[in-house]
Amino acid sequence: EDKVVQSPLSLVVHEGDTVTLNCSYEVTNFRSLLWYKQEKKAPTFLFMLTSSGIEKKSGRLSSILDKKELFSILNITATQTGDSAIYLCAVMGGSNYKLTFGKGTLLTVNP
Amino acid sequence: NAGVTQTPKFQVLKTGQSMTLQCAQDMNHNSMYWYRQDPGMGLRLIYYSASEGTTDKGEVPNGYNVSRLNKREFSLRLESAAPSQTSVYFCASSRTSGDTQYFGPGTRLTVL
Repeated sequence: EDKVVQSPLSLVVHEGDTVTLNCSYEVTNFRSLLWYKQEKKAPTFLFMLTSSGIEKKSGRLSSILDKKELFSILNITATQTGDSAIYLCAVMGGSNYKLTFGKGTLLTVNP
Repeated sequence: NAGVTQTPKFQVLKTGQSMTLQCAQDMNHNSMYWYRQDPGMGLRLIYYSASEGTTDKGEVPNGYNVSRLNKREFSLRLESAAPSQTSVYFCASSRTSGDTQYFGPGTRLTVL
């Protein structure tokens, strides 16, 4: 059975801090790993990672994948209150490209 | 370009009632999905449609049926709602099965 485990489950930081969110996985026939940000409504896409060691970056957010150790990290530098959200990690695998989600990390950024 | 839209936004049902959740996308995507999200459980796939004319079961299909009406629309039907189906339901679409999935705003369903 495919499994995605995120840690920590919740995190409270102050504005300006840097945070690292973790995602480890076990999946048959790995194809890609995705990060989403979920505020009050729909998950919104952040990154898709398919190759090990190549950092993807968007503003203050960056992510990297390690296919040997089966994990990914999402970094957020100089956090802002608008970064408060649930961050979801999902792994695509199998013959049907099924997406398996972790339970998410709830990030709270206090002013 | 609205992306993925879902109706209704909220719904309250009594046990045993039926209803259909509607989803449409205007991105010309081939693949569409239905998920449910419950506290502490993450997002779980109910059904998906890899392309127009095909549908397949996901992780939690029991109690649900789907219809891929055309390339744009993918509906989810609850024939006889149960309290265990109280959840937030998300529809998603992707260009093909292996591409990034984009989500709709969700439907919050309560079954009493």
